[in-house]
Amino acid sequence: DGGITQSPKYLFRKEGQNVTLSCEQNLNHDAMYWYRQDPGQGLRLIYYSQIVNDFQKGDIAEGYSVSREKKESFPLTVTSAQKNPTAFYLCASSPSGSYQPQHFGDGTRLSIL
Amino acid sequence: KQEVTQIPAALSVPEGENLVLNCSFTDSAIYNLQWFRQDPGKGLTSLLLIQSSQREQTSGRLNASLDKSSGRSTLYIAASQPGDSATYLCAVEGSYGQNFVFGPGTRLSVLP
Repeated sequence: DGGITQSPKYLFRKEGQNVTLSCEQNLNHDAMYWYRQDPGQGLRLIYYSQIVNDFQKGDIAEGYSVSREKKESFPLTVTSAQKNPTAFYLCASSPSGSYQPQHFGDGTRLSIL
Repeated sequence: KQEVTQIPAALSVPEGENLVLNCSFTDSAIYNLQWFRQDPGKGLTSLLLIQSSQREQTSGRLNASLDKSSGRSTLYIAASQPGDSATYLCAVEGSYGQNFVFGPGTRLSVLP
């Protein structure tokens, strides 16, 4: 089945450590997105990519980094500069063009040890 | 800057009731509005997408309406079932190359 796979489901980070969240899609979508979700809040956009080898900062990019070397993969690194990384992270993708719905993975929950 | 709000924050209804969830946005210059369902600890599932030129969309027991001029959308759920219990989020995509802006969601509980 086509879909978006996020791994791991749960991740723990030590102080000063960088961690990488994986996002893979087999939907052949051009655009991919990373969101952060905190309790009681809507999703906030971290980074997005409309095409391979290109990506743009979202509203809360500080302390995060991404790469888009392949169409199907869009990993997110949470760096030690992100002082409050505990959250639920969601990856999404969509076809290019207007009026296209976003499709989401099942998320990764990141916690601080 | 686009802001999206959803009222109520939580709702509890007995099974079989018809109900309405509300979504408001501050900038009417949007491409589309999308309603999602989120189960606890899971990602979002797309329910309905309404293009800016449309007034409503229907899928099964769900009907979503859009009034751009007033900055409002409603999600109507007919004959609610316990399986409808989840958080419902709306998101708007701006007209000027802006990405989706999400509301905080409405947490729905349908009691058997």
